Amino acid sequence: NAGVTQTPKFRVLKTGQSMTLLCAQDMNHEYMYWYRQDPGMGLRLIHYSVGEGTTAKGEVPDGYNVSRLKKQNFLLGLESAAPSQTSVYFCASSYPLLTGKSTDTQYFGPGTRLTVL
Amino acid sequence: GEDVEQSLFLSVREGDSSVINCTYTDSSSTYLYWYKQEPGAGLQLLTYIFSNMDMKQDQRLTVLLNKKDKHLSLRIADTQTGDSAIYFCAEKVGSGGYQKVTFGIGTKLQVIP
Repeated sequence: NAGVTQTPKFRVLKTGQSMTLLCAQDMNHEYMYWYRQDPGMGLRLIHYSVGEGTTAKGEVPDGYNVSRLKKQNFLLGLESAAPSQTSVYFCASSYPLLTGKSTDTQYFGPGTRLTVL
Repeated sequence: GEDVEQSLFLSVREGDSSVINCTYTDSSSTYLYWYKQEPGAGLQLLTYIFSNMDMKQDQRLTVLLNKKDKHLSLRIADTQTGDSAIYFCAEKVGSGGYQKVTFGIGTKLQVIP
């Protein structure tokens, strides 16, 4: 199993450009998440999904959109990038607690380092 | 609301024990987790504890939970240079459906050879 993979690993954008970050997991997890990590602020949840075709807003959703067309993929889009979106982005996935299969441990990807100039 | 607090930095000598502390505010936590992040990598689960437990031991790791004070600690025995990383405390709250996980800002552990 590859676990959770993210592409790209690094990206530099100019203000106003758009891009999509791809997250893929091969563990058949129901839940998927997008976080951003900034110095001194820890991890903040951007959007999450509890299943294929569903998405929901997290703590800091503004400026981002997401889609979960397939269970294994969770896409994070930036329509018009801003310097404030310079960050490291992490995708994670988990089984929901209700299934009894796990403690809803989140498995993280290696991250995408995004710089917006 | 949920809030998880940790100190930012801890420095220990190789071979000593490390104790990383965390406080949380929501008394309805179901699970509490410790994640480890090595440089340039994502977070990796180290251990977790159910909210109805007081202690959990896993090899060099000991987790202590004081529910009255809403205090969680992670003790690493015989700390090695490979333990140098950022350690995140996290709590899960709620029951049924989606249950939010809130992460602390992370404690950077520096192990001095």
